Amino acid sequence: NAGVTQTPKFQVLKTGQSMTLQCAQDMNHEYMSWYRQDPGMGLRLIHYSVGAGITDQGEVPNGYNVSRSTTEDFPLRLLSAAPSQTSVYFCASSYGLAGKIVFGPGTRLTVT
Amino acid sequence: AQRVTQPEKLLSVFKGAPVELKCNYSYSGSPELFWYVQYSRQRLQLLLRHISRESIKGFTADLNKGETSFHLKKPFAQEEDSAMYYCALAQGGSEKLVFGKGTKLTVNP
Repeated sequence: NAGVTQTPKFQVLKTGQSMTLQCAQDMNHEYMSWYRQDPGMGLRLIHYSVGAGITDQGEVPNGYNVSRSTTEDFPLRLLSAAPSQTSVYFCASSYGLAGKIVFGPGTRLTVT
Repeated sequence: AQRVTQPEKLLSVFKGAPVELKCNYSYSGSPELFWYVQYSRQRLQLLLRHISRESIKGFTADLNKGETSFHLKKPFAQEEDSAMYYCALAQGGSEKLVFGKGTKLTVNP
């Protein structure tokens, strides 16, 4: 049982490049979400999904796309990277109990 | 709109001293509140849920609806408590969390 896994751990992008941050969970959780963590800002919700085929926007969705084709995977796509997207990105999942959320190890992204 | 405020960015105490990390919230409905902790180089993990009224690693937190607060307390801090602490709020029954900006706790020997 690996829990929530994220790849890559680190990534450097140039402005304008696109990439996908991968997230997978093996706990059969219906709910998955993406947060970004910035110094002095705490964690902010980007996108979330309550099940396969269903996604919705969080607090800071601009510049990001998600899809949920399977229960296990919830990739986050950066369409055209900007320096403002330099952050640590956390994927999380839960089985339906508010707050009982399991976080992944994070992806540290730098956009130059 | 829901909001979580953690007024202290940094908090430093000595080992054995009491510690209190403050959290205030604004939410019109019935809130569910949580404390998450992130130790150095580790992922975020759930520390406490107000619903369960439990004590984890010696920490407790009481929801005060009158003062809209959910402060985290521990009577005797330990060096291993040094970490980043986040207070979070979930809209009733929802799994979408609103986080405070976090308090970095340092426990000095």
